[in-house]
Amino acid sequence: GENVEQHPSTLSVQEGDSAVIKCTYSDSASNYFPWYKQELGKRPQLIIDIRSNVGEKKDQRIAVTLNKTAKHFSLHITETQPEDSAVYFCAASDSGGGADGLTFGKGTHLIIQP
Amino acid sequence: KAGVTQTPRYLIKTRGQQVTLSCSPISGHRSVSWYQQTPGQGLQFLFEYFSETQRNKGNFPGRFSGRQFSNSRSEMNVSTLELGDSALYLCASSLHGINEKLFFGSGTQLSVL
Repeated sequence: GENVEQHPSTLSVQEGDSAVIKCTYSDSASNYFPWYKQELGKRPQLIIDIRSNVGEKKDQRIAVTLNKTAKHFSLHITETQPEDSAVYFCAASDSGGGADGLTFGKGTHLIIQP
Repeated sequence: KAGVTQTPRYLIKTRGQQVTLSCSPISGHRSVSWYQQTPGQGLQFLFEYFSETQRNKGNFPGRFSGRQFSNSRSEMNVSTLELGDSALYLCASSLHGINEKLFFGSGTQLSVL
């Protein structure tokens, strides 16, 4: 089945700096890669997603890159702000309805230092 | 539009009991998926239902089951509870499936004593 590894587990950056979170996946059939943000005590919320026919996608301060050959994808947050502090989860799935459903990484706790 | 609603918010059960959790999706959403969240394992996919049919199932034992009704509301059942089943159970809904934006509920916090 699909396996998603996420690094680092904790990331501390100064406010205004950039943050990068990396994920690798094992199943070459995976073609949908979302990122969810979960603030303390709240529900996960989608912040950006990418499909395998695209190499990069950007939404304001957030961008995701995908390298299908190496089977890894990354989340980039620029000009970090205090409200970016949260746990971020990457995930992978096969839109063909693979039996694994949606496989998540174990999460990265992003801490923005003032 | 009302968001995804999960009931109950908290549950305390003892080992060996069974439990049923409920999820009402956003109106018009036909896909409901369920997840187990624990500090050690993160978010793990349980199963997805679409139009009353289970479409995907994660790697969980048969004690975990679910169903979906004609109004897209879904229930999840866990039988013969074990201590390790203590977790936050989240459901999410979407228009067509798990390969698009999911809208999560607030979850049901299950404690097994």
